[in-house]
Amino acid sequence: GIQVEQSPPDLILQEGANSTLRCNFSDSVNNLQWFHQNPWGQLINLFYIPSGTKQNGRLSATTVATERYSLLYISSSQTTDSGVYFCAVERGGKLIFGQGTELSVKP
Amino acid sequence: EPEVTQTPSHQVTQMGQEVILRCVPISNHLYFYWYRQILGQKVEFLVSFYNNEISEKSEIFDDQFSVERPDGSNFTLKIRSTKLEDSAMYFCASSPPVRGGKLFFGSGTQLSVL
Repeated sequence: GIQVEQSPPDLILQEGANSTLRCNFSDSVNNLQWFHQNPWGQLINLFYIPSGTKQNGRLSATTVATERYSLLYISSSQTTDSGVYFCAVERGGKLIFGQGTELSVKP
Repeated sequence: EPEVTQTPSHQVTQMGQEVILRCVPISNHLYFYWYRQILGQKVEFLVSFYNNEISEKSEIFDDQFSVERPDGSNFTLKIRSTKLEDSAMYFCASSPPVRGGKLFFGSGTQLSVL
């Protein structure tokens, strides 16, 4: 089946720093979504981004479907950005998740 | 903003017992899903449901699992005879009436099987 790999697995930042999270996938997909799982376990949908670039405040995402990767940019990070970031690709009506990047933002 | 709601937030049960996890999807959504996340692991697909029937299911979703939409608002996951390895966070999700649309997740039910 399709493989979804995220890097880095862990990331520690000082508040105010910028970061880039990467998601590679092994086959063509219908769409790609980025989620933030906060420390309480909630999964928040950040982006629905099958291709191109989208921005939402301090976050932006780019998917290059032809090269099978997506990037999530976090600028001016805040402690509330801490948690696990998952990318998930859609094939056959279901989402296949990567292992996630655990982000910790220190004050 | 509309949201997916799940009850209970925590469920503790004895091995072999039946549990029912409940979800109320967003009202105009037509696709419904159950996912689960074992502690420290990635989120895994269990089943999708559309037009009152299962449209996809994973290898995890064996005969011990079933889903139902008993009325116009609720969507349930039943585990008939729980096993220790069923302990996980179970997430319900829904998406708008477009196949492969943006998914909205509930807050999850943490199931602990003792």
